[in-house]
Amino acid sequence: LAKTTQPISMDSYEGQEVNITCSHNNIATNDYITWYQQFPSQGPRFIIQGYKTKVTNEVASLFIPADRKSSTLSLPRVSLSDTAVYYCLVPMDSSYKLIFGSGTRLLVRP
Amino acid sequence: GEEVAQTPKHLVRGEGQKAKLYCAPIKGHSYVFWYQQVLKNEFKFLISFQNENVFDETGMPKERFSAKCLPNSPCSLEIQATKLEDSAVYFCASSQWNVGEDQPQHFGDGTRLSIL
Repeated sequence: LAKTTQPISMDSYEGQEVNITCSHNNIATNDYITWYQQFPSQGPRFIIQGYKTKVTNEVASLFIPADRKSSTLSLPRVSLSDTAVYYCLVPMDSSYKLIFGSGTRLLVRP
Repeated sequence: GEEVAQTPKHLVRGEGQKAKLYCAPIKGHSYVFWYQQVLKNEFKFLISFQNENVFDETGMPKERFSAKCLPNSPCSLEIQATKLEDSAVYFCASSQWNVGEDQPQHFGDGTRLSIL
């Protein structure tokens, strides 16, 4: 059963780079890794998705080492509005069902 | 539409009453998923549809939960004879293809169901 493990919480300050690492030891060969952001009273919002090496978009970068047993979400120069819960997701046993872990609660301080 | 639309935002029911939640997926998306989020941010997969066909319902409490996705109508999740433990936020998500094919699921903002 694929499972993800993330730190429960992280603190940062405005303007800093934040890296959140997720471990997914049992990820299958063809599975993608997806990160979501969730604010209170809102649904999870897609941030970035990757399969291997590095993916970058306008809001984040995703680093995936060769063994794919972990991934790191990198948020450059965070702001107060980045305070949220961040979820790393992989499919459940190569199916289409997403496994949500407990997520990482990021607090950005002024 | 461009967003997954869920209604109502908040639904309050007395224990034993029926609750019905609605979800309009993003136009053009073939797959619809329902998740239940309870305390501590835990999400539980309930059911998925490929168009109007049930794709996987292994997460559904069969006795009281049912769901439909009919053509030209919002999808729905219905709970009969609600229990206190059904209190949660129910999220609907849609995608163009199944997970694992580089097409992420897009979520609505959920319906908060409160059973009193």
